[in-house]
Amino acid sequence: KQEVTQIPAALSVPEGENLVLNCSFTDSAIYNLQWFRQDPGKGLTSLLLIQSSQREQTSGRLNASLDKSSGRSTLYIAASQPGDSATYLCAVKWETSGSRLTFGEGTQLTVNP
Amino acid sequence: NAGVMQNPRHLVRRRGQEARLRCSPVKGHSHVYWYRQLPEEGLKFMVYLQKENIIDESGMPKERFSAEFPKEGPSILRIQQVVRGDSAAYFCASSPRTSGGFDSYNEQFFGPGTRLTVL
Repeated sequence: KQEVTQIPAALSVPEGENLVLNCSFTDSAIYNLQWFRQDPGKGLTSLLLIQSSQREQTSGRLNASLDKSSGRSTLYIAASQPGDSATYLCAVKWETSGSRLTFGEGTQLTVNP
Repeated sequence: NAGVMQNPRHLVRRRGQEARLRCSPVKGHSHVYWYRQLPEEGLKFMVYLQKENIIDESGMPKERFSAEFPKEGPSILRIQQVVRGDSAAYFCASSPRTSGGFDSYNEQFFGPGTRLTVL
């Protein structure tokens, strides 16, 4: 069964700390993996998209890596800020599941001032 | 350069009524996806449509739910005879068409969602 798991489910850190969010997936035959941010009661904002042929993508203070063989991706957030507080979702598109995205349950991040 | 638009943003229905959720994709995008987020659960795929075609509806409940993406106008997710368990946030996403069969590599862009409450 194709599943996406995100650990931890919740994370609380002081402002300024660097942090890593983890995503694991059960089948390495993927097209791509997307990281999203969701604020309470709001929609999804796409942060980074990593194609299966890529190892990492960077945008500002965010860096996402992909290790297909081990079925893992990490989202690194540098110098965290209170405005980074949100739920972070990892979503995988598998080669055998058409164009659908399969989401993890998310990591709820709180950055304390 | 509008993104994915969804309306209404909030919808309240009584049990047994119909709910119609609309989604206008990013201009030029021909692929639309619907996902549902039940309270305290993750997002789950429901259906994938291209203009006038349902490509994959494997995530759609077999009864009461239907979706369309007509040649003109927005995509519609229709829920007949709503029940309390249908209360959720419904998100629409769109992606462009890419020549050469590389559609699956495209990024999906999400709308703000419609929050359906069934009383």
